[in-house]
Amino acid sequence: DQQVKQNSPSLSVQEGRISILNCDYTNSMFDYFLWYKKYPAEGPTFLISISSIKDKNEDGRFTVFLNKSAKHLSLHIVPSQPGDSAVYFCAASANFGNEKLTFGTGTRLTIIP
Amino acid sequence: DAGITQSPRHKVTETGTPVTLRCHQTENHRYMYWYRQDPGHGLRLIHYSYGVKDTDKGEVSDGYSVSRSKTEDFLLTLESATSSQTSVYFCAIRPDYYSYNEQFFGPGTRLTV
Repeated sequence: DQQVKQNSPSLSVQEGRISILNCDYTNSMFDYFLWYKKYPAEGPTFLISISSIKDKNEDGRFTVFLNKSAKHLSLHIVPSQPGDSAVYFCAASANFGNEKLTFGTGTRLTIIP
Repeated sequence: DAGITQSPRHKVTETGTPVTLRCHQTENHRYMYWYRQDPGHGLRLIHYSYGVKDTDKGEVSDGYSVSRSKTEDFLLTLESATSSQTSVYFCAIRPDYYSYNEQFFGPGTRLTV
């Protein structure tokens, strides 16, 4: 039972355009959501997060949107740069302070110069 | 930099042999985690620890055991390695000073059985 789903295994975007990565979840108890970025042969690195009391969080070129009624979140990267090419994982945790994360299967983003 | 190291970084072993992977942190945080990453599955939690000698199972714990005798070290043991345990293994920590569940990852160990 995949509680966090990333239905697009891959995405290609032209440099300078907007990249939109999507994530859906099924567990209504999830109240904190995170995005991680992973380069080959490295560990995932934390990118941005959002709690369920917000519907948007922005950090530079990265914005995460949360639609609780649809159980959907998205990561927007504007403008996309070649260094953004990586695998992106969304993750969720339940009950503020819970110690475990549930990850999606990842989306490979390729930025085309 | 969360000060997390993993050893070894690469290992090739034979079916049926025991294998121990080590995760070391420099900041003495309570929470430590072991994940495996496989294509199509994202990151899956194997075991985690919330203090010395305090551990709990994750979603894919069968065939794995863990130990934490010191705050800074978290060991993952495959008692009798199988080919299905070929994977990339990541250790993570959750800083004690964080209110939310951001986790920070080590560089990973690639294990081939």
